[in-house]
Amino acid sequence: DADVTQTPRNRITKTGKRIMLECSQTKGHDRMYWYRQDPGLGLRLIYYSFDVKDINKGEISDGYSVSRQAQAKFSLSLESAIPNQTALYFCATSETGGAQETQYFGPGTRLLVL
Amino acid sequence: GNSVTQMEGPVTLSEEAFLTINCTYTATGYPSLFWYVQYPGEGLQLLLKATKADDKGSNKGFEATYRKETTSFHLEKGSVQVSDSAVYFCALSDQGGYQKVTFGTGTKLQVIP
Repeated sequence: DADVTQTPRNRITKTGKRIMLECSQTKGHDRMYWYRQDPGLGLRLIYYSFDVKDINKGEISDGYSVSRQAQAKFSLSLESAIPNQTALYFCATSETGGAQETQYFGPGTRLLVL
Repeated sequence: GNSVTQMEGPVTLSEEAFLTINCTYTATGYPSLFWYVQYPGEGLQLLLKATKADDKGSNKGFEATYRKETTSFHLEKGSVQVSDSAVYFCALSDQGGYQKVTFGTGTKLQVIP
C-alpha cells in the first residue's frame, strides 16, 4: 500500500461549490503539506502543518482552508471553487528535522472547476 | 527570496544519449538541493540530493554536484532509457527552522527508442 494517499484522484466541480480533498499517510510523519501544480509554474505551497495543533499558510493560501484531523490526516477545502483553482493538487509529508529532509508525495488529485 | 531556475523543456533524446538538465538557484545561506522526478500519473519522488557544497548526489545512474561558486546543481545521466521519460524538478530547502522547499518549474524529458 502507498504511504501517502489522496482522495479523490480526479474531481470535476462547478464554480461556487465547496469541495474537500483528503490526504492520509502511514509514514508516521509530523509534517504535512498541500501544494498545487500548474503548467509552467512548478509546485506552489498552499498550507503546511507541523503537527495537529500547528497549521500555517503557504504562499498561495487565499481561497483555501485546511484541517489536520489527526497526525495521519490533512484535508484541503475549497470553500467556493473558482475556475482558476483548476490544477493538480499534491499532499506531501516529511519527518520533523532539518533542511536536508526528503518530502514524500501522494499521487495527486486532478481538479477541474467549470 | 529563494528561487530555482531550470531549463525549459521538453527535452527529447534518443535512447542511450547523454542527458543534462540545468538548474541554478538563488538562496541565502547554505540550502540543501534536490532533484525530484515525476513519472506520468504519479506524485513526485526524490531522485537524489546534496546537502553541502561539492557534495555529489547520485541514484539510478543520475548524478548532480552541488556547485556553490556557480550556484548550480545540474542533473546528468550518461545513457538515458525510455523508462527515464518523466518530469524532473530541481528544488532547494533552506536552513531555517521551517523546512520550506522551493521548486523549479520542472523539465519534461522524453526518451525515444
